Amino acid sequence: EADIYQTPRYLVIGTGKKITLECSQTMGHDKMYWYQQDPGMELHLIHYSYGVNSTEKGDLSSESTVSRIRTEHFPLTLESARPSHTSQYLCASSLTLPTTDTQYFGPGTRLTVL
Amino acid sequence: KQEVTQIPAALSVPEGENLVLNCSFTDSAIYNLQWFRQDPGKGLTSLLLIQSSQREQTSGRLNASLDKSSGRSTLYIAASQPGDSATYLCAVGTYNQGGKLIFGQGTELSVKP
Repeated sequence: EADIYQTPRYLVIGTGKKITLECSQTMGHDKMYWYQQDPGMELHLIHYSYGVNSTEKGDLSSESTVSRIRTEHFPLTLESARPSHTSQYLCASSLTLPTTDTQYFGPGTRLTVL
Repeated sequence: KQEVTQIPAALSVPEGENLVLNCSFTDSAIYNLQWFRQDPGKGLTSLLLIQSSQREQTSGRLNASLDKSSGRSTLYIAASQPGDSATYLCAVGTYNQGGKLIFGQGTELSVKP
């Protein structure tokens, strides 16, 4: 079982609010990722990080921002939530090794913006 | 641009059957391929990872194969059980963007008792 945690699991919030989705892992993984999944659709990468102080945008354009101040922590922030941000957000991590690059996923945060 | 397709989109089988889920990808320059299981409202559980240099991986009743040249992977589930009911996702690992995964839309499997 992967040691990667996300909080909250479910969040219902009004338009315009600032929110932070938490993700932490205790496996010492250097790489971390955020994926977005709309209902019935495939996952898309929105942010990733190679390590501390490294953050990059993924393929899917997102108004969210991320930070990586500590290896184990990779929070995602929306400054002003909108209904279009309603989705499931999945955090993942992996270790940079040539033979074992499995990505481990957290349980996800299901966000609803009213 | 890499695209991943999974067929069928949904599958219903009686308990005990052996079954095959299919995954195809358009660009053979992959880093690895990973099969996941997703239960409703939950995150993803990694089932098998095949490195680009490998042909197959096995774990219990699961066997995944990879044919890079034809852009195909299959997930074989032996002696299916109702507990296997879930959505199965195939994801291709790329060499760029931190080894990001490109996902298919999944196959929703239902195993009837």
